[in-house]
Amino acid sequence: AQSVTQLGSHVSVSEGALVLLRCNYSSSVPPYLFWYVQYPNQGLQLLLKYTSAATLVKGINGFEAEFKKSETSFHLTKPSAHMSDAAEYFCAVSWTGNQFYFGTGTSLTVIP
Amino acid sequence: KAGVTQTPRYLIKTRGQQVTLSCSPISGHRSVSWYQQTPGQGLQFLFEYFSETQRNKGNFPGRFSGRQFSNSRSEMNVSTLELGDSALYLCASSPPGGSYNEQFFGPGTRLTVL
Repeated sequence: AQSVTQLGSHVSVSEGALVLLRCNYSSSVPPYLFWYVQYPNQGLQLLLKYTSAATLVKGINGFEAEFKKSETSFHLTKPSAHMSDAAEYFCAVSWTGNQFYFGTGTSLTVIP
Repeated sequence: KAGVTQTPRYLIKTRGQQVTLSCSPISGHRSVSWYQQTPGQGLQFLFEYFSETQRNKGNFPGRFSGRQFSNSRSEMNVSTLELGDSALYLCASSPPGGSYNEQFFGPGTRLTVL
């Protein structure tokens, strides 16, 4: 079955440190990939998306992600964490464009 | 443009009751999807509507149903509520024209079943 896995339900980093949130998908066919962020009591907001134009995708708020077909991964990174980055992050994939599969989310804590 | 709106934002029901949630997509968006979000489960896909037709359906029991109106507004209904239906229900709409457009999410309706 096609699915998406986010390793680490909770990640803590110090302010100013590198943020790395992991996402892997299970399929031999590369999907379209998305990262969303959710702040408390809010819906999800798109951070970035991969649609085969370039393997390194830059998003909002300084986040970027690299698509690696050989590793079936789409990890999200940010060079320097800010307190305002504390939120829940979701990786999502779609093969059809109509139905999206979401990971179980990673809660990011930024320690001052 | 106004974002995706969902009403009500909070709802408390008791077991056995039924509930209807409403979603108004962004103007011009014709695809509306519904998700159930619970701690540890992430977002579980319920169904997707496009031009008043259910185009995709997730793996949920028949107690969960939905519909879409000609103005693209959508409703979802849950009958015979169970305690496990307590969750945040998110609605998302997608713009027309081209595949793999991102989904735009509403703030959700938090349903509590007592």
